[in-house]
Amino acid sequence: EAEVAQSPRYKITEKSQAVAFWCDPISGHATLYWYRQILGQGPELLVQFQDESVVDDSQLPKDRFSAERLKGVDSTLKIQPAELGDSAMYLCASSLGRSDNSPLHFGNGTRLTVT
Amino acid sequence: SQQGEEDPQALSIQEGENATMNCSYKTSINNLQWYRQNSGRGLVHLILIRSNEREKHSGRLRVTLDTSKKSSSLLITASRAADTASYFCANNNDMRFGAGTRLTVKP
Repeated sequence: EAEVAQSPRYKITEKSQAVAFWCDPISGHATLYWYRQILGQGPELLVQFQDESVVDDSQLPKDRFSAERLKGVDSTLKIQPAELGDSAMYLCASSLGRSDNSPLHFGNGTRLTVT
Repeated sequence: SQQGEEDPQALSIQEGENATMNCSYKTSINNLQWYRQNSGRGLVHLILIRSNEREKHSGRLRVTLDTSKKSSSLLITASRAADTASYFCANNNDMRFGAGTRLTVKP
């Protein structure tokens, strides 16, 4: 079964540094999501793409976070500068997005530690 | 803000017992989805129930939906130690998750 690929699996960075995460969704999936999950909490939606367009980025801290999906396929989430509170799991998910009944398929995430 | 809110926050049962967890949501839905997350992994889709359905079964899973109360429940029957995980709900309108229910099944 096709999977959502994320890299790196783990990332350790110092505060004030820049960090980037990459996601390759399942082929043909039009909708892509980035979530942040702090340990012990539920996933928090950061940004949703439909093809290459941002549908919802209301929860994205835009002063330091940016996301792009230039060709409507893979996506990059960037943090600059990183802060201690950004330590979390960053999850990417995709769905067909062509009907309301498309379930999300998640990658296994990137675990970020900011020191 | 989070749309799906699950309760209880934590549930501990013995293997073989049934586990019930609940979800409340705030807006209208087309469907409600339940997901499972093992520690350190991504979420996995379990089951989807449409707004015009009241109950749905899949193996040992049973989901109910009460749109008048904006709530859903997930029942896992004859639980196994391998069911130990966190469980989340989300509605298709915004795909936002709550804090989840942490289920522990003791062997």
